Amino acid sequence: AQRVTQPEKLLSVFKGAPVELKCNYSYSGSPELFWYVQYSRQRLQLLLRHISRESIKGFTADLNKGETSFHLKKPFAQEEDSAMYYCALSSGSARQLTFGSGTQLTVLP
Amino acid sequence: EAQVTQNPRYLITVTGKKLTVTCSQNMNHEYMSWYRQDPGLGLRQIYYSMNVEVTDKGDVPEGYKVSRKEKRNFPLILESPSPNQTSLYFCASRKTGATGELFFGEGSRLTVL
Repeated sequence: AQRVTQPEKLLSVFKGAPVELKCNYSYSGSPELFWYVQYSRQRLQLLLRHISRESIKGFTADLNKGETSFHLKKPFAQEEDSAMYYCALSSGSARQLTFGSGTQLTVLP
Repeated sequence: EAQVTQNPRYLITVTGKKLTVTCSQNMNHEYMSWYRQDPGLGLRQIYYSMNVEVTDKGDVPEGYKVSRKEKRNFPLILESPSPNQTSLYFCASRKTGATGELFFGEGSRLTVL
């Protein structure tokens, strides 16, 4: 069965510092991975997906199949990056999304 | 505006009193799903629907029912709510084949006393 692990429930960094939110997965097939973000008082929304290999709001994430990881990174954190971040894995014929338990990121001034 | 709408947004009820949380989307999406969000557990899927009259259990379906009579609506029914169903509930939708990008509602915070 597929599983997504986000080991950090809470993460605090100072503004301008690099940030890395960890995500590990287990899945026997070819994984499709995503990061979703939930800002305060806003809906959960897609941040980025590994297939598109894009940078959104300065965030990037690289799929490492050897380490089964999909960590989210940003070189210089901003206060507006403070949010809950969820890593998610798409699997099965119905392409169901399995979410990790989330990491609450706080960027301190 | 394209969106997923849930009602009610907040509800306090008592054990055993049946309730329904409605979900409606105006994007003509085939796929709809319900999740519950609990601290430390993240988002867990309750039920999903691939299309009208097609529903299936997610990871935590016990105590819930759903129906999909129309494409735009996917209500979540708690026939006999219990305190362990106190949670934040999210409805989401996407087009079939649009892997991954789910569009979420604003959430419904339910408290069962």
